[in-house]
Amino acid sequence: EPEVTQTPSHQVTQMGQEVILRCVPISNHLYFYWYRQILGQKVEFLVSFYNNEISEKSEIFDDQFSVERPDGSNFTLKIRSTKLEDSAMYFCASSAGPIYGYTFGSGTRLTVV
Amino acid sequence: AQRVTQPEKLLSVFKGAPVELKCNYSYSGSPELFWYVQYSRQRLQLLLRHISRESIKGFTADLNKGETSFHLKKPFAQEEDSAMYYCALKMDSSYKLIFGSGTRLLVRP
Repeated sequence: EPEVTQTPSHQVTQMGQEVILRCVPISNHLYFYWYRQILGQKVEFLVSFYNNEISEKSEIFDDQFSVERPDGSNFTLKIRSTKLEDSAMYFCASSAGPIYGYTFGSGTRLTVV
Repeated sequence: AQRVTQPEKLLSVFKGAPVELKCNYSYSGSPELFWYVQYSRQRLQLLLRHISRESIKGFTADLNKGETSFHLKKPFAQEEDSAMYYCALKMDSSYKLIFGSGTRLLVRP
């Protein structure tokens, strides 16, 4: 069964540093998403991406965040100048269309120290 | 505001007992509802979506628009059903999923 792959599985970074979280969506999917889950809290939507542009973003997704699909297979989330409160599990997901439900990756645990 | 409520943080049942995981939503439009499951240390997996009206691993869920609910049910729980279960809502005008806080199901032998 096809999978969404995320790397790294765990990243520790110092406050103020930039991080890039990487995802390889399922190859024939057209919609891509990032979610995050702060420990003990709900899974929260960050951004959706379709046709090489952001289709929707949450209020969490401010200028500190950006997404890119640099080469047709990878889908990245960049966090500039990380803060302690960015520590969370970040999930990438992809879908063939919004009504089909998503396939999630196994997540990247980001720890900002 | 749109919201998904899963009132139980933990549901503990014995093997063979019926299970009902509750999910209520608030949305005035046409909702699409999903159930996701997360087994220990694994990824979120799609379990059910209401539009397909399917039964996966013995689980079913019916959308009740009058009660704004999408409860997940299984007549006979198995130990391997122990996991975290998340209900999620998609609004017809949006790409995103709104998740509930999840219910941990523990099936005891």
